Amino acid sequence: QKEVEQDPGPLSVPEGAIVSLNCTYSNSAFQYFMWYRQYSRKGPELLMYTYSSGNKEDGRFTAQVDKSSKYISLFIRDSQPSDSATYLCATGAGNQFYFGTGTSLTVIP
Amino acid sequence: NAGVTQTPKFRILKIGQSMTLQCTQDMNHNYMYWYRQDPGMGLKLIYYSVGAGITDKGEVPNGYNVSRSTTEDFPLRLELAAPSQTSVYFCASSHLGGGNTEAFFGQGTRLTVV
Repeated sequence: QKEVEQDPGPLSVPEGAIVSLNCTYSNSAFQYFMWYRQYSRKGPELLMYTYSSGNKEDGRFTAQVDKSSKYISLFIRDSQPSDSATYLCATGAGNQFYFGTGTSLTVIP
Repeated sequence: NAGVTQTPKFRILKIGQSMTLQCTQDMNHNYMYWYRQDPGMGLKLIYYSVGAGITDKGEVPNGYNVSRSTTEDFPLRLELAAPSQTSVYFCASSHLGGGNTEAFFGQGTRLTVV
Protein backbone atom coordinates (compact mmCIF):
# COMPACT_ATOMS: atom_id res chain seq x y z
CA GLN A 1 0.00 0.00 0.00
CA LYS A 2 1.34 3.43 -0.94
CA GLU A 3 1.85 5.94 1.83
CA VAL A 4 -0.21 8.54 -0.06
CA GLU A 5 -2.87 7.91 -2.71
CA GLN A 6 -4.18 10.66 -4.97
CA ASP A 7 -6.63 10.57 -7.85
CA PRO A 8 -4.59 11.64 -10.90
CA GLY A 9 -7.56 13.14 -12.73
CA PRO A 10 -7.41 14.96 -15.08
CA LEU A 11 -9.99 17.37 -13.73
CA SER A 12 -11.55 20.04 -15.93
CA VAL A 13 -13.85 22.74 -14.51
CA PRO A 14 -15.33 26.05 -15.71
CA GLU A 15 -13.96 29.29 -14.35
CA GLY A 16 -15.58 30.23 -11.04
CA ALA A 17 -16.27 26.63 -9.99
CA ILE A 18 -15.36 25.17 -6.61
CA VAL A 19 -12.66 22.53 -6.98
CA SER A 20 -12.13 19.66 -4.55
CA LEU A 21 -8.85 17.73 -4.61
CA ASN A 22 -8.39 14.73 -2.35
CA CYS A 23 -5.79 12.34 -0.97
CA THR A 24 -5.72 9.47 1.46
CA TYR A 25 -2.76 8.36 3.52
CA SER A 26 -1.92 5.11 5.22
CA ASN A 27 0.02 5.91 8.38
CA SER A 28 -1.68 7.43 11.40
CA ALA A 29 1.75 8.64 12.56
CA PHE A 30 1.77 11.27 9.80
CA GLN A 31 1.14 14.62 11.43
CA TYR A 32 2.14 17.30 8.94
CA PHE A 33 0.33 17.79 5.65
CA MET A 34 1.15 19.90 2.64
CA TRP A 35 -0.27 20.86 -0.74
CA TYR A 36 1.99 21.80 -3.63
CA ARG A 37 1.09 23.40 -6.96
CA GLN A 38 3.20 22.51 -9.97
CA TYR A 39 2.93 24.41 -13.23
CA SER A 40 4.09 22.70 -16.39
CA ARG A 41 7.89 22.46 -16.57
CA LYS A 42 8.33 24.05 -13.13
CA GLY A 43 9.20 22.79 -9.67
CA PRO A 44 6.53 22.10 -7.03
CA GLU A 45 5.61 25.26 -5.15
CA LEU A 46 4.36 25.05 -1.58
CA LEU A 47 0.74 26.18 -1.44
CA MET A 48 -0.44 25.30 2.06
CA TYR A 49 0.59 23.28 5.07
CA THR A 50 -1.18 22.22 8.24
CA TYR A 51 -0.58 20.20 11.36
CA SER A 52 -4.01 19.63 12.75
CA SER A 53 -7.35 18.14 11.86
CA GLY A 54 -9.84 20.68 10.64
CA ASN A 55 -9.66 23.48 8.12
CA LYS A 56 -6.98 26.00 7.26
CA GLU A 57 -7.90 28.83 4.96
CA ASP A 58 -5.68 31.08 2.83
CA GLY A 59 -7.53 33.30 0.40
CA ARG A 60 -9.39 31.13 -2.10
CA PHE A 61 -7.70 27.97 -0.82
CA THR A 62 -8.82 25.77 2.08
CA ALA A 63 -6.89 22.74 3.28
CA GLN A 64 -8.87 20.18 5.24
CA VAL A 65 -7.52 17.26 7.25
CA ASP A 66 -9.53 14.43 8.77
CA LYS A 67 -7.10 12.32 10.76
CA SER A 68 -9.77 9.83 11.83
CA SER A 69 -10.29 8.75 8.24
CA LYS A 70 -6.76 9.64 7.03
CA TYR A 71 -8.19 11.96 4.41
CA ILE A 72 -6.84 15.31 3.22
CA SER A 73 -8.50 17.75 0.85
CA LEU A 74 -7.79 21.01 -0.90
CA PHE A 75 -10.69 23.23 -1.91
CA ILE A 76 -10.28 26.05 -4.40
CA ARG A 77 -13.08 28.63 -4.48
CA ASP A 78 -13.82 30.85 -7.48
CA SER A 79 -11.31 28.91 -9.58
CA GLN A 80 -9.33 30.88 -12.15
CA PRO A 81 -7.56 29.84 -15.37
CA SER A 82 -4.29 30.63 -13.56
CA ASP A 83 -5.10 27.77 -11.15
CA SER A 84 -4.56 25.31 -14.00
CA ALA A 85 -1.71 23.15 -12.76
CA THR A 86 -0.94 19.83 -11.14
CA TYR A 87 -1.62 19.69 -7.40
CA LEU A 88 0.36 17.32 -5.18
CA CYS A 89 -0.50 16.38 -1.64
CA ALA A 90 2.32 15.44 0.71
CA THR A 91 2.98 14.27 4.22
CA GLY A 92 6.02 13.04 6.07
CA ALA A 93 7.57 11.16 8.93
CA GLY A 94 11.11 10.72 10.16
CA ASN A 95 13.56 11.85 7.52
CA GLN A 96 11.29 11.54 4.50
CA PHE A 97 8.37 13.12 2.72
CA TYR A 98 5.73 11.15 0.86
CA PHE A 99 3.97 12.63 -2.14
CA GLY A 100 0.83 11.80 -4.03
CA THR A 101 1.16 11.37 -7.78
CA GLY A 102 -0.63 14.67 -8.40
CA THR A 103 -3.99 15.72 -9.83
CA SER A 104 -3.97 17.65 -13.08
CA LEU A 105 -6.47 20.54 -13.02
CA THR A 106 -7.61 22.66 -15.96
CA VAL A 107 -9.84 25.69 -15.37
CA ILE A 108 -11.63 26.66 -18.56
CA PRO A 109 -12.31 30.40 -19.10
CA ASN B 1 15.48 35.30 -2.32
CA ALA B 2 17.10 32.39 -4.20
CA GLY B 3 15.86 29.38 -2.18
CA VAL B 4 16.89 26.13 -3.93
CA THR B 5 18.86 26.54 -7.14
CA GLN B 6 19.51 23.75 -9.63
CA THR B 7 21.83 23.71 -12.60
CA PRO B 8 21.69 22.95 -15.45
CA LYS B 9 18.04 23.37 -16.42
CA PHE B 10 18.33 21.06 -19.43
CA ARG B 11 20.85 18.47 -20.56
CA ILE B 12 21.13 15.80 -23.22
CA LEU B 13 23.54 12.97 -22.48
CA LYS B 14 24.69 10.06 -24.57
CA ILE B 15 24.47 6.55 -23.13
CA GLY B 16 27.48 5.87 -20.93
CA GLN B 17 28.37 9.50 -20.30
CA SER B 18 28.52 10.92 -16.81
CA MET B 19 27.41 14.21 -15.35
CA THR B 20 26.73 16.02 -12.11
CA LEU B 21 23.50 17.81 -11.34
CA GLN B 22 24.15 20.73 -9.03
CA CYS B 23 21.91 21.84 -6.18
CA THR B 24 22.48 24.62 -3.70
CA GLN B 25 20.24 26.18 -1.06
CA ASP B 26 20.64 29.41 0.86
CA MET B 27 18.13 28.76 3.66
CA ASN B 28 20.60 26.98 5.96
CA HIS B 29 18.44 23.85 5.83
CA ASN B 30 19.84 20.67 7.29
CA TYR B 31 17.85 18.30 5.12
CA MET B 32 18.25 18.00 1.36
CA TYR B 33 16.69 15.58 -1.11
CA TRP B 34 16.92 14.46 -4.71
CA TYR B 35 13.77 13.28 -6.49
CA ARG B 36 13.04 12.19 -10.00
CA GLN B 37 9.66 12.78 -11.58
CA ASP B 38 8.43 10.66 -14.46
CA PRO B 39 5.06 11.25 -16.18
CA GLY B 40 2.20 9.81 -14.11
CA MET B 41 4.62 8.34 -11.56
CA GLY B 42 4.90 11.10 -9.00
CA LEU B 43 8.09 12.01 -7.16
CA LYS B 44 10.49 9.20 -6.32
CA LEU B 45 13.20 9.80 -3.74
CA ILE B 46 16.70 9.00 -4.98
CA TYR B 47 18.93 10.09 -2.08
CA TYR B 48 18.65 12.38 0.89
CA SER B 49 20.92 14.00 3.44
CA VAL B 50 20.22 15.04 7.02
CA GLY B 51 23.32 17.21 7.29
CA ALA B 52 26.81 17.77 5.96
CA GLY B 53 28.68 14.49 5.64
CA ILE B 54 25.57 12.32 6.03
CA THR B 55 23.68 10.80 3.10
CA ASP B 56 21.28 7.91 2.72
CA LYS B 57 19.51 6.02 -0.04
CA GLY B 58 15.94 6.62 -0.99
CA GLU B 59 13.58 4.51 -3.06
CA VAL B 60 15.51 4.52 -6.38
CA PRO B 61 19.26 5.04 -5.73
CA ASN B 62 20.72 2.69 -8.34
CA GLY B 63 22.84 4.47 -10.94
CA TYR B 64 23.29 7.59 -8.82
CA ASN B 65 25.69 8.91 -6.21
CA VAL B 66 25.62 11.92 -3.93
CA SER B 67 27.86 13.82 -1.57
CA ARG B 68 27.23 16.52 1.01
CA SER B 69 30.43 18.32 1.94
CA THR B 70 28.68 21.56 2.93
CA THR B 71 25.26 22.52 4.28
CA GLU B 72 24.48 24.45 1.10
CA ASP B 73 25.39 21.97 -1.64
CA PHE B 74 24.06 18.53 -2.53
CA PRO B 75 25.25 17.40 -5.99
CA LEU B 76 23.84 14.30 -7.70
CA ARG B 77 26.16 12.30 -9.92
CA LEU B 78 25.21 9.97 -12.75
CA GLU B 79 28.19 7.77 -13.60
CA LEU B 80 27.07 5.74 -16.64
CA ALA B 81 23.96 7.34 -18.08
CA ALA B 82 21.22 5.01 -19.29
CA PRO B 83 17.98 5.76 -21.18
CA SER B 84 16.04 4.78 -18.03
CA GLN B 85 17.52 7.85 -16.35
CA THR B 86 15.69 10.17 -18.71
CA SER B 87 13.56 12.17 -16.29
CA VAL B 88 13.07 15.49 -14.56
CA TYR B 89 15.21 15.78 -11.44
CA PHE B 90 14.22 17.95 -8.51
CA CYS B 91 16.30 18.95 -5.54
CA ALA B 92 14.52 19.96 -2.33
CA SER B 93 15.46 21.11 1.14
CA SER B 94 13.79 21.38 4.52
CA HIS B 95 14.71 22.74 7.91
CA LEU B 96 13.61 19.57 9.72
CA GLY B 97 12.74 16.06 8.58
CA GLY B 98 9.48 14.98 7.04
CA GLY B 99 6.51 15.20 9.35
CA ASN B 100 7.71 18.36 11.05
CA THR B 101 8.14 20.96 8.37
CA GLU B 102 7.62 21.72 4.71
CA ALA B 103 10.02 21.07 1.83
CA PHE B 104 11.08 23.63 -0.77
CA PHE B 105 11.92 22.66 -4.32
CA GLY B 106 14.21 23.85 -7.07
CA GLN B 107 12.99 24.41 -10.61
CA GLY B 108 14.25 21.07 -11.87
CA THR B 109 16.76 19.65 -14.34
CA ARG B 110 15.30 18.03 -17.44
CA LEU B 111 17.64 15.22 -18.50
CA THR B 112 17.44 13.20 -21.69
CA VAL B 113 19.71 10.21 -22.27
CA VAL B 114 20.00 9.12 -25.90
